[in-house]
Amino acid sequence: KAGVTQTPRYLIKTRGQQVTLSCSPISGHRSVSWYQQTPGQGLQFLFEYFSETQRNKGNFPGRFSGRQFSNSRSEMNVSTLELGDSALYLCASSQGETQYFGPGTRLLVL
Amino acid sequence: AQSVSQHNHHVILSEAASLELGCNYSYGGTVNLFWYVQYPGQHLQLLLKYFSGDPLVKGIKGFEAEFIKSKFSFNLRKPSVQWSDTAEYFCAVNAGHNAGKSTFGDGTTLTVKP
Repeated sequence: KAGVTQTPRYLIKTRGQQVTLSCSPISGHRSVSWYQQTPGQGLQFLFEYFSETQRNKGNFPGRFSGRQFSNSRSEMNVSTLELGDSALYLCASSQGETQYFGPGTRLLVL
Repeated sequence: AQSVSQHNHHVILSEAASLELGCNYSYGGTVNLFWYVQYPGQHLQLLLKYFSGDPLVKGIKGFEAEFIKSKFSFNLRKPSVQWSDTAEYFCAVNAGHNAGKSTFGDGTTLTVKP
């Protein structure tokens, strides 16, 4: 099976802009989770979607949002970008207890 | 709330040395435990996992981990490290009923000197 794929792999944006990241889970996986990875904060959970519904949410401001489509593909959106949003955004899919991670999208906010 | 603590931020070893990375978690219910590895420039890969049963679990590349419930620990071990084990290692936990939300430790950077 193909692994988790994320697009784009790299992004450069400026403050105030918005960005949309995409994630395609492993075939058959219905749960998709998003994480933010930064050197200072480590890996932090953003949210999880299951069958097109947000099932869990982390402690991030409302500027961070997501959605999931009927084919389980997911997108996350960050509006009004801030410098501190620069990070590696990881997507993970799961079916059962184990999460499998994609390569991430590296976002740089200038 | 769950929390995960990894004891060492950076470990430096010579090849063939033994490795043990500490991980303690805080959660009162049933947990699933994981170790992930992130090689330089690569994405997170699953090393091993524990759900139930034998507390000593074996993973890929010769790694193993032992779950000690009384100590809330899940330490990672390898008897003899190689230069190619140089990477960042993350311990993670999720609740048995909530597997889509994992809590990660801060990570341990392992540098193996040839």
